[in-house]
Amino acid sequence: QVTLKESGPALVKPTQTLTLTCSFSGFSLSTRGMRVSWIRQPPGKALEWLARIDWDDDEFYSTSLKTRLTISKDTSKNQVVLTMTNMDPVDTATYYCARVERSGWFFDYWGQGMLVTVSS
Amino acid sequence: QTVVTQEPSFSVSPGGTITLTCALNSGSVFTGYYPSWYQQTPGQTPRTLIYKTNIRSFGVPNRFSGSILGNKAALTITGAQADDESDYYCMLYMGDGIYVFGTGTRVTVL
Repeated sequence: QVTLKESGPALVKPTQTLTLTCSFSGFSLSTRGMRVSWIRQPPGKALEWLARIDWDDDEFYSTSLKTRLTISKDTSKNQVVLTMTNMDPVDTATYYCARVERSGWFFDYWGQGMLVTVSS
Repeated sequence: QTVVTQEPSFSVSPGGTITLTCALNSGSVFTGYYPSWYQQTPGQTPRTLIYKTNIRSFGVPNRFSGSILGNKAALTITGAQADDESDYYCMLYMGDGIYVFGTGTRVTVL
């Protein structure tokens, strides 16, 4: 059974760096073809893809946010970490991690999401 | 910048049929973008409905179907039910590890 769960601070101040952790089970990021992505959704707005990390350590980022994002993995802990620098109130959103299906074309399992509010 | 546009909202009567579309600002949507569709009830996690244009995820009712219509990806709900009232998002795989979600469509069943 595949599960993912996001964790991190619910509140960050403007200009701070956000660090979110995705803890997962039911698969391993050391297995060929496995990938995990982060997606966010501001309140009342659309989903936005942020980043992806692959079993072979390849990293991919949203063009508009790539200067602020870093994605990494700890295979031994079954975790993926996303950092986003220079947080702003417009970054207030529910942040989801999701497993990328083996083909690489879509997301097949999602975490429950966590709301991160950026406010002073 | 890549923009994927969906209808903002749609209403359908119970038992009715609607088709939501997914358009790409830079050109036609074709199967090589591997369109997928996600259903999200407000406050809930997205659920994968359709992938690779027209393949239903496990457990998705067959009243949901995906296709390419003209130059857009499409999601058709045939025989809409009350619990189909949700937001629907398409997503395109742009290649090179990049994904783009659509703007979303809110479907009301009344």
